[in-house]
Amino acid sequence: DGGITQSPKYLFRKEGQNVTLSCEQNLNHDAMYWYRQDPGQGLRLIYYSQIVNDFQKGDIAEGYSVSREKKESFPLTVTSAQKNPTAFYLCASCIDRNSYNEQFFGPGTRLTVL
Amino acid sequence: RKEVEQDPGPFNVPEGATVAFNCTYSNSASQSFFWYRQDCRKEPKLLMSVYSSGNEDGRFTAQLNRASQYISLLIRDSKLSDSATYLCVVPHQAGTALIFGKGTTLSVSS
Repeated sequence: DGGITQSPKYLFRKEGQNVTLSCEQNLNHDAMYWYRQDPGQGLRLIYYSQIVNDFQKGDIAEGYSVSREKKESFPLTVTSAQKNPTAFYLCASCIDRNSYNEQFFGPGTRLTVL
Repeated sequence: RKEVEQDPGPFNVPEGATVAFNCTYSNSASQSFFWYRQDCRKEPKLLMSVYSSGNEDGRFTAQLNRASQYISLLIRDSKLSDSATYLCVVPHQAGTALIFGKGTTLSVSS
């Protein structure tokens, strides 16, 4: 089955630690995105990548980093510089990097900082 | 005007009711619009795309009013399974990313 996967589903980390969230897709999609969702809030764009080896900052990139070494993978690192990292993190992909189309989401990772 | 704005609700309706949600957007150049559905603690999933004046899919109808910059979603004959949060989505200026509204919560009761 084609799809987009994220792991882990739940993640706990201590303050001051970096943590990496995994996102993998086997849909052969060019574009991938990371969003963050806080309770009662809309999704906010962290980073996006329209092609391998290229990525761009979104609206709230501070304290985060990404890489796109393979088309299938777009991991997100939440660094200790992120002031309020507890949130629901959603990864998405889209078949076309040149037009607005349906974005397919992974099941998300709930990060809690203790 | 905010980039995308929705009435958060909640909308509490009985089964069989017709309910409508509105969403306003600020970028008059936007050409593509979407409604996503998000169940509690789950990922959003596409419900409908709106590229012209409107779109209809079964009990769901989406309409676009470019002059007033709003999009609406109409749900007829509401089912218990329609209970969810409905997200209004417009294009972002960053690549082909999207801007998601905060969502409108619908609760359908028997």
